[in-house]
Amino acid sequence: AQKVTQAQTEISVVEKEDVTLDCVYETRDTTYYLFWYKQPPSGELVFLIRRNSFDEQNEISGRYSWNFQKSTSSFNFTITASQVVDSAVYFCALSAPPDQTGANNLFFGTGTRLTVIP
Amino acid sequence: AAGVIQSPRHLIKEKRETATLKCYPIPRHDTVYWYQQGPGQDPQFLISFYEKMQSDKGSIPDRFSAQQFSDYHSELNMSSLELGDSALYFCASSRQGFYGYTFGSGTRLTVV
Repeated sequence: AQKVTQAQTEISVVEKEDVTLDCVYETRDTTYYLFWYKQPPSGELVFLIRRNSFDEQNEISGRYSWNFQKSTSSFNFTITASQVVDSAVYFCALSAPPDQTGANNLFFGTGTRLTVIP
Repeated sequence: AAGVIQSPRHLIKEKRETATLKCYPIPRHDTVYWYQQGPGQDPQFLISFYEKMQSDKGSIPDRFSAQQFSDYHSELNMSSLELGDSALYFCASSRQGFYGYTFGSGTRLTVV
């Protein structure tokens, strides 16, 4: 069974501070995919990153960076120099590769609500 | 680039009424997923279709049904609506062999 835990329900930071959102996952699959999505107040789900379980390289994209640690089953997300526009709910999600039916759904964590205070 | 299109964006229905939500996947995407996100909740998987066949089923109530048509668009039919069905309903699409999901903007259903 797959499970994603985001222990931080809500985080508030002052603008320009760095913030790390934690994500811990459980799966029995040897191959799996991890995702982060951003959900701003407007409600849409915005894709941020997909990580293959075989690729443990950390990734940086502008102010965003991700730390994938297979040994601790964690996929943490750091925003550096946070901005007010970063205020949103952030979801970590997990999926197995598509099976022979061609589909496999995403399991979401409960999300972390980030508020960046000006 | 074309995205996943969901219609309508907003829907208000009364209890016991019926609602139909539509999803148009990205061209050449063969898989569609439906998710339900209640207020303050994470998205919960309802059902998915691959090549017009149901491929997986999650926590979808028996009052709900869905299908994928020959043009790959999908419809989620919801009958005997209850207040608890008020939620944001997302559709996502993907293409086999490409392990990513693109979400639509969602349909916000309010049952009064």
